[in-house]
Amino acid sequence: DTEVTQTPKHLVMGMTNKKSLKCEQHMGHRAMYWYKQKAKKPPELMFVYSYEKLSINESVPSRFSPECPNSSLLNLHLHALQPEDSALYLCASSGEANGDYGYTFGSGTRLTVV
Amino acid sequence: QKEVEQDPGPLSVPEGAIVSLNCTYSNSAFQYFMWYRQYSRKGPELLMYTYSSGNKEDGRFTAQVDKSSKYISLFIRDSQPSDSATYLCAMSRVGSQGNLIFGKGTKLSVKP
Repeated sequence: DTEVTQTPKHLVMGMTNKKSLKCEQHMGHRAMYWYKQKAKKPPELMFVYSYEKLSINESVPSRFSPECPNSSLLNLHLHALQPEDSALYLCASSGEANGDYGYTFGSGTRLTVV
Repeated sequence: QKEVEQDPGPLSVPEGAIVSLNCTYSNSAFQYFMWYRQYSRKGPELLMYTYSSGNKEDGRFTAQVDKSSKYISLFIRDSQPSDSATYLCAMSRVGSQGNLIFGKGTKLSVKP
């Protein structure tokens, strides 16, 4: 089992809905990330939190809103998404934001926007 | 030229074969090199992590980094059907803060 836990595993939402994705890690990692992965493509970085502060936003549309309530939790709030936002959303963590010892990914939330 | 090049395959081998996967890259600033295994509809699983050049072995897996040639490899010995997955190389610079640069992934199938 992965040490980064993501919920829900699957989510179907309409374009007017508001939903949230959740991520939790208990490895004491100080950096957490959101990635988006489309089918047959590698993951793409969306957001970086380092020591609970947002340090990178990779030009992600405002309909995606990240939140880091504490060092173990990371949320991604979704609002007014488009069908092209359907993808696998991956949370990852690392010891520090420089990626020492690699990044641990969760199993992802498979999101479908209808 | 893409920063990281990886042959997408698919690669099909018989059970027990030695598998060789590789990536080339263009950015000499990369210092952290990783191999991930991703099963269908699952998140990537970190297999091997290497800092700078050298070899690293873990069970049936060996990772090699040759910074002079900008070439990294993953070898899988005694391959098993359970190794069938997509293998992604990834790399990053010091201080890059999560900005992993992934290869496109190689889809591997190990036939019983």
